[in-house]
Formats: sequence, C-alpha cells, structure tokens
Amino acid sequence: DVKVTQSSRYLVKRTGEKVFLECVQDMDHENMFWYRQDPGLGLRLIYFSYDVKMKEKGDIPEGYSVSREKKERFSLILESASTNQTSMYLCASSGQGRGGEQFFGPGTRLTVL
Amino acid sequence: QKEVEQNSGPLSVPEGAIASLNCTYSDRGSQSFFWYRQYSGKSPELIMSIYSNGDKEDGRFTAQLNKASQYVSLLIRDSQPSDSATYLCAVNRDDKIIFGKGTRLHILP
Repeated sequence: DVKVTQSSRYLVKRTGEKVFLECVQDMDHENMFWYRQDPGLGLRLIYFSYDVKMKEKGDIPEGYSVSREKKERFSLILESASTNQTSMYLCASSGQGRGGEQFFGPGTRLTVL
Repeated sequence: QKEVEQNSGPLSVPEGAIASLNCTYSDRGSQSFFWYRQYSGKSPELIMSIYSNGDKEDGRFTAQLNKASQYVSLLIRDSQPSDSATYLCAVNRDDKIIFGKGTRLHILP
C-alpha cells in the first residue's frame, strides 16, 4: 500500500512565523502535490512537482514556496504565515504518469493566530 | 461552467438502499476519472478509478462513465452507516487532477 506521511497532524503558529510542512512518500512516486482544503472551496492546488528539484505553481501559490531535494520528500513553506493561511493542508503523490491516481497523506490542520 | 460539478447534498439514503452520486465535467479530453471518499476531519481516500465508458464494479461500489455525456457516477449498493461521508469526483485535465467540491452522503439507520 502507498504510504504518504505528513510531519504534523495539528500545528499552531503565530502571524509572521516561517512554517515548514513536510511530506514523505514511500512508493517511489515521481509526482507530489500540495493542496489546501477549506469549507465551501474544496481542494485547491498550491504547488506540485513531477521530479526532484522540479516545482510548478498550482492555482494558489501566493504566500507559499516548496522544496523537493529528494524524490520521496516534498516540503511546503509558508514564508510569513498569515491568518488567511489557516487551513487543512494535504499532500498527495502519484506514480502512474501525470494525471494519474493520487494518494493522500493524513493532512495537517494549521492554525495561524 | 465549473470543470467538475457535483451536487453538494446532503444526500440522505436509507440503510440498505442504493446511493447514487453524480458528477459532470467540462473537458472532453479527460481520460481518467476517480472517486474519493472523505470522512469528516480526514483526508480523501481513493475508492474507484475508471478510464473506459461503461461500468466498473468493486464490491458494493460501481462506477459508471459516459464520455459522450461527460458524466460519471458512483453507485453504492446496500448502503451502510459507515458509508456516510463526502464523496469527491476527480477528473484529469492535462497533467493534473481537478477535484469537485464533493457530495455529502448521509445513510439513515
């Protein structure tokens, strides 16, 4: 079974802090994704990566950056957290080419005070 | 027109009945279609993938795809209270997957 893990289930940070969210997958998948999910807005794609050291902007990249130094690890960085970044953050990976089945981690519920 | 549309619900279905969840999509070039189940406070879990027109069955779940009508559905037979969740339809667009906002399903005991 595909296993996608995220570094924290719950996180509370203060406005202006730099926040790191880590995601690790153990299935040698090429593709990794970061989403945020908010009530009424559904899943929104922040950034994605199709290979090590590659990154592409999704639909809502503003205020975020990513890092993919190793194939199994994809990190989401909030450079200066703001209250409107309070959300559920979901990492996913896929290996069946691009546009294939995605498998999600458990999610990190981030609260920015 | 939204790329992937679902009725938000809630859809209430008696226990033991068939639940029918529907989804329409706008990109005629889409080739891959997925259904995810998401329990409250949890992450989405892939339950079905379908790539060809027609039906695909897996246990109590049947996915139906009609590319001409740009329509995909999920049927859940013998609905159980544990099926109460939000069901997300997802469709590929180019190199990405686009998710619908989901339909909340409530199975009445």
